[in-house]
Amino acid sequence: TQLLEQSPQFLSIQEGENLTVYCNSSSVFSSLQWYRQEPGEGPVLLVTVVTGGEVKKLKRLTFQFGDARKDSSLHITAAQPGDTGLYLCAGSLTTDSWGKLQFGAGTQVVVTP
Amino acid sequence: GAVVSQHPSRVICKSGTSVKIECRSLDFQATTMFWYRQFPKQSLMLMATSNEGSKATYEQGVEKDKFLINHASLTLSTLTVTSAHPEDSSFYICSATLVSSTDTQYFGPGTRLTVL
Repeated sequence: TQLLEQSPQFLSIQEGENLTVYCNSSSVFSSLQWYRQEPGEGPVLLVTVVTGGEVKKLKRLTFQFGDARKDSSLHITAAQPGDTGLYLCAGSLTTDSWGKLQFGAGTQVVVTP
Repeated sequence: GAVVSQHPSRVICKSGTSVKIECRSLDFQATTMFWYRQFPKQSLMLMATSNEGSKATYEQGVEKDKFLINHASLTLSTLTVTSAHPEDSSFYICSATLVSSTDTQYFGPGTRLTVL
């Protein structure tokens, strides 16, 4: 059983559309990260959020951390084919040591021209 | 900054041989390094956590005698898959955390292991 539930598992959209990926848990996290991974490569860090209610923007990407630090969302505006990839959320539980991360199952995003 | 490298990127070996994978933090000192395994179209599965100079902590179900981890310095950790078998074929990824920020992990590019 994964502590972080990601939804949807798969998302296929046309270029220019918007999309949102959700990451939910019943556990409280001291921080949460979003990564994007392309086939045959390691995950690349997009953002780290640490404060409940925090909103961070990275160009067309908007990340939100829930007030209770149990959930997060990633919103992409005007998606482009370059946004295609596996999006992973990962959180550090307040009870875990050494920066251990709990990973969601991932959301495969495909943006077609 | 915060670049992690892995070597080799791909390796093919015969069943029964051992394979060593290196993970290096190139421009920072890493408090802790993590080793993950990833199957196709799945998320990352944590195998073990290692701190420099101490024994690795393995996740439940991961055989420590099969997956030997050595963390010799603050910039280098190695994973040795001993007596590899076809079922060990997978994508192995390491990550490292900065001394100043233990929550964010920076990942290496991964190593594709194929055991024939």
